[in-house]
Amino acid sequence: SYVLTQPPSVSVAPGKTARITCGGNNIGSKSVHWYQQKSGQAPVLVIYDDDDRPSRIPERFSGSNSGNTATLTISRVGAGDEADYYCQVWDGSSDPHVVFGGGTKLTVL
Amino acid sequence: QVQLVQSGAEVESPGASVKVSCQASGYRFTDFYVHWVRQAPGQGLEWIGWLNPNTGATDYARKFRGRVTMTRDSSIKTAFMELSSLRPADTAVYYCVRRPKTGPYDYWGPGTLVTVSS
Repeated sequence: SYVLTQPPSVSVAPGKTARITCGGNNIGSKSVHWYQQKSGQAPVLVIYDDDDRPSRIPERFSGSNSGNTATLTISRVGAGDEADYYCQVWDGSSDPHVVFGGGTKLTVL
Repeated sequence: QVQLVQSGAEVESPGASVKVSCQASGYRFTDFYVHWVRQAPGQGLEWIGWLNPNTGATDYARKFRGRVTMTRDSSIKTAFMELSSLRPADTAVYYCVRRPKTGPYDYWGPGTLVTVSS
């Protein structure tokens, strides 16, 4: 099965930039989606297809994907960004077809 | 607006079955696949499978084959996920999620907590 690896935690000071990575074998050849999950809530899509943003998501959220690493970047981080973040890909050739990273807890210091 | 409304929390005994529903509104039900994803307490997200509401076709993760059944009733725009032979490790929040045939999960249901305990 395909494996996505995320750091368990990332900490950042308010107003700074947070970068959350998602590692996978040749992940650059896949479309990566990112979800934000605040405590007690369902996940919300924040980035899709590597670097596209749903209209309701602030421009502070951006994504990139190349080689073996995809990255979610959140600029001008605020307390409201504190959440768990999950990357996800579709891999029709493996089981399971839908793969999530283990999640990264973003802490705003 | 798009909404996915799920059935309420369930408490089941080991060996029992549970059936969770997901009623869609705000879009054409048959135009989007319904996936089911679960999250055990304090853990990450785990994909269970998908249902094509238009054809009734399904695909399940190997881990759940033989125990999971996904169905729909298009007349009431509702998808169902039934999990049998429950064990304590199945305790989790179960989410239904909308997905185009390809692309991301753009709308999530609020989740249904299923607790398996004797």
